[in-house]
Amino acid sequence: AQKVTQAQTEISVVEKEDVTLDCVYETRDTTYYLFWYKQPPSGELVFLIRRNSFDEQNEISGRYSWNFQKSTSSFNFTITASQVVDSAVYFCALSFMDTGRRALTFGSGTRLQVQP
Amino acid sequence: GAVVSQHPSRVICKSGTSVKIECRSLDFQATTMFWYRQFPKQSLMLMATSNEGSKATYEQGVEKDKFLINHASLTLSTLTVTSAHPEDSSFYICSARDYPDTQYFGPGTRLTVL
Repeated sequence: AQKVTQAQTEISVVEKEDVTLDCVYETRDTTYYLFWYKQPPSGELVFLIRRNSFDEQNEISGRYSWNFQKSTSSFNFTITASQVVDSAVYFCALSFMDTGRRALTFGSGTRLQVQP
Repeated sequence: GAVVSQHPSRVICKSGTSVKIECRSLDFQATTMFWYRQFPKQSLMLMATSNEGSKATYEQGVEKDKFLINHASLTLSTLTVTSAHPEDSSFYICSARDYPDTQYFGPGTRLTVL
């Protein structure tokens, strides 16, 4: 069975601080995808990144960066110089590459509050 | 980027009535769509996987006769909540899988059953 754990329920930072959201996953499969989604107060889930299990390169996109470490089964997400607009719930998720198991398994989410 | 629409965004209905929610992939074709349910301040729970042209696959504990899913075309899946009751009140979100394997989500439908 697969599982995604986001141990941080809620994080509060002041604008311009850096913040890292943790994600740890469990799976026996060797081929899988990992995702991060943002859910602002409006409710819509916004896709941020997809990483496949073969690619452990870290990625940077503007103020966002992701650190994928297979050895520790972690896929952490860092926001640099946070802004108020970053306030949202962030979900880490896992899915598989085989046709029958493409549904996402979500973590419980981390609520990020960025104070001005 | 890929866009998924969902309609209606909000619906209030009386207990015992049926409600249909539509999920459309606007700029891509999706052979597979998914329906999730989210309770306040909780994560998303998969309800069912909808495959174009075939029956939906429901997760354990989800009543097939209560939550009817139809995936009639490559861009449209519908979820009908039949004989809705207050305990069915929730936020329902659909997603559509784009090539090669990313799910894009609709804006969600907030259902309130009185």
